[in-house]
Amino acid sequence: GENVEQHPSTLSVQEGDSAVIKCTYSDSASNYFPWYKQELGKGPQLIIDIRSNVGEKKDQRIAVTLNKTAKHFSLHITETQPEDSAVYFCAATLRGGADGLTFGKGTHLIIQP
Amino acid sequence: DSGVTQTPKHLITATGQRVTLRCSPRSGDLSVYWYQQSLDQGLQFLIQYYNGEERAKGNILERFSAQQFPDLHSELNLSSLELGDSALYFCASSATTSGGRDGELFFGEGSRLTVL
Repeated sequence: GENVEQHPSTLSVQEGDSAVIKCTYSDSASNYFPWYKQELGKGPQLIIDIRSNVGEKKDQRIAVTLNKTAKHFSLHITETQPEDSAVYFCAATLRGGADGLTFGKGTHLIIQP
Repeated sequence: DSGVTQTPKHLITATGQRVTLRCSPRSGDLSVYWYQQSLDQGLQFLIQYYNGEERAKGNILERFSAQQFPDLHSELNLSSLELGDSALYFCASSATTSGGRDGELFFGEGSRLTVL
């Protein structure tokens, strides 16, 4: 079936280094790709999103890139800080969004001091 | 604070029982979505309501049902509970009908259900 694959499931980086999380999707008609951050005990919160008509979007230390041909998109966090520690979910609108947003299984990002 | 309120925050019950989870969306949002979060399955879309009408259905079991009331709050009913139903259940809301395609979903803090 249609799905979103996310890697890695856990990522540990030194504070100040960069972190990259990657997702692939199966539906070539998908056109909206948000990233959500979930802190402990909280619900997911949108941090950045990208639509299929652009290849990259930046917001301060966070960027998302999209390769529609390869059907993958990535989250890049530069100059990581302790408050970046959280679970990050990618998502895509599969089947035209008929199933709402389809989320990846999440990446637990750990920032080591 | 996302503006989405979910109750209860924690619920412990036994197999075979029935529970109701409640969600109040952000002020002005007409769409409500229910998601189930478990360790091995991530965030699974269950169902969406828009202004009282069912809009989209995901992987929702027949034992589960939901509704959205005229005041726009929503309830998720889980019956004949099994151990595997233990999970975090999130409600989200948005201003549009489009399942988050047009922008942000605002999530509540979730209801943690434990079935013993």
